[in-house]
Amino acid sequence: QQPVQSPQAVILREGEDAVINCSSSKALYSVHWYRQKHGEAPVFLMILLKGGEQKGHEKISASFNEKKQQSSLYLTASQLSYSGTYFCGTEFANRDDKIIFGKGTRLHILP
Amino acid sequence: NAGVTQTPKFRILKIGQSMTLQCAQDMNHNYMYWYRQDPGMGLKLIYYSVGAGITDKGEVPNGYNVSRSTTEDFPLRLELAAPSQTSVYFCASSYSDRAPGEKLFFGSGTQLSVL
Repeated sequence: QQPVQSPQAVILREGEDAVINCSSSKALYSVHWYRQKHGEAPVFLMILLKGGEQKGHEKISASFNEKKQQSSLYLTASQLSYSGTYFCGTEFANRDDKIIFGKGTRLHILP
Repeated sequence: NAGVTQTPKFRILKIGQSMTLQCAQDMNHNYMYWYRQDPGMGLKLIYYSVGAGITDKGEVPNGYNVSRSTTEDFPLRLELAAPSQTSVYFCASSYSDRAPGEKLFFGSGTQLSVL
């Protein structure tokens, strides 16, 4: 049931773009995205609630394809502060109140 | 507001010992969760609660117990600690009356080592 994130790790130079994918084997109600810095708690980025919904937060945006049970996180013109591990959390369509996270994608931005 | 408070921040246990990880929130959230995080494995859901007196199992509940006697507190109990329970534990909460789009607020975590 754990969603699958890809890639597992990404190394970018500052200013480059990245896409992180999250796919589920079960129908989804919502997808959460969080970023975690080393030694800290995860921090909320955004939630996507319905098929085709796209959200943005400065240069970080995301989309949700309900039919494909997938979400993608887009980081544009990456900054050093974007480094960290990104997690998607999924709530299934049966609304069982669980939020199940993927294994995470490690993002490292080089100056 | 303090948000989600976890205690202790660090703890070393011997095999077979018991302990309780404390979690308290002051945001009047009705949903609370316990996750464990092992390197490269993401966040695994241990137990969750949708309100006082209601708890349910997550992905990895074996070896743990929880209770929810108040809205504010959601302690996690390890009865017979094993090395496999060495991990970082995060408590999280959210407000939900079944309305969509409620984010999780995380505590700062408890790093537990069982030796």
